Amino acid sequence: EAGVTQFPSHSVIEKGQTVTLRCDPISGHDNLYWYRRVMGKEIKFLLHFVKESKQDESGMPNNRFLAERTGGTYSTLKVQPAELEDSGVYFCASSQQEEGTIYFGEGSWLTVV
Amino acid sequence: GQQLNQSPQSMFIQEGEDVSMNCTSSSIFNTWLWYKQDPGEGPVLLIALYKAGELTSNGRLTAQFGITRKDSFLNISASIPSDVGIYFCAGRSGGSNYKLTFGKGTLLTVNP
Repeated sequence: EAGVTQFPSHSVIEKGQTVTLRCDPISGHDNLYWYRRVMGKEIKFLLHFVKESKQDESGMPNNRFLAERTGGTYSTLKVQPAELEDSGVYFCASSQQEEGTIYFGEGSWLTVV
Repeated sequence: GQQLNQSPQSMFIQEGEDVSMNCTSSSIFNTWLWYKQDPGEGPVLLIALYKAGELTSNGRLTAQFGITRKDSFLNISASIPSDVGIYFCAGRSGGSNYKLTFGKGTLLTVNP
């Protein structure tokens, strides 16, 4: 069974550009999460989807970040326009149930220069 | 917001030694989790704790859920080189709050 897959694995963009990260959760997992780890800091929650609905987006830093999960399958996280402080690792995770084990992807490493 | 204080920040040990790390919080958590992240990978769940006072083992790993529900520790016995990585504690409040709050991680280096 495939795990949580993320694309791209690495991305280097210039300040002001747009980047879209994609996450494919484990098949059958209704719950999808985005987390972020900025250099030297802890992994922080961004938002939580249940199927296609945003259950909790309290961790989204600002309106430059837009997450979608059309059809309740894969999800995208768009950063527009990117700023230097957006650099970090963006992790996607999924779980079958809300209280169930959360499985993480390998992360998308974003560098904004 | 909720914060977890994880210590130590890093450890450099010899192969065969035991190691201990812990997390404390000012808030109560209903679930404590310990993850390990290898270089270039995402966090992988090592141990999940669901009950205050619970002591759980997974091979050479042992973790405990503190009685106050505000702390947890992870022990690794007889360390081996492949134990190298970053270990994260994470807590979940429960109820309608399913997001994880993470500690800053403990970087473990094992010298063969």
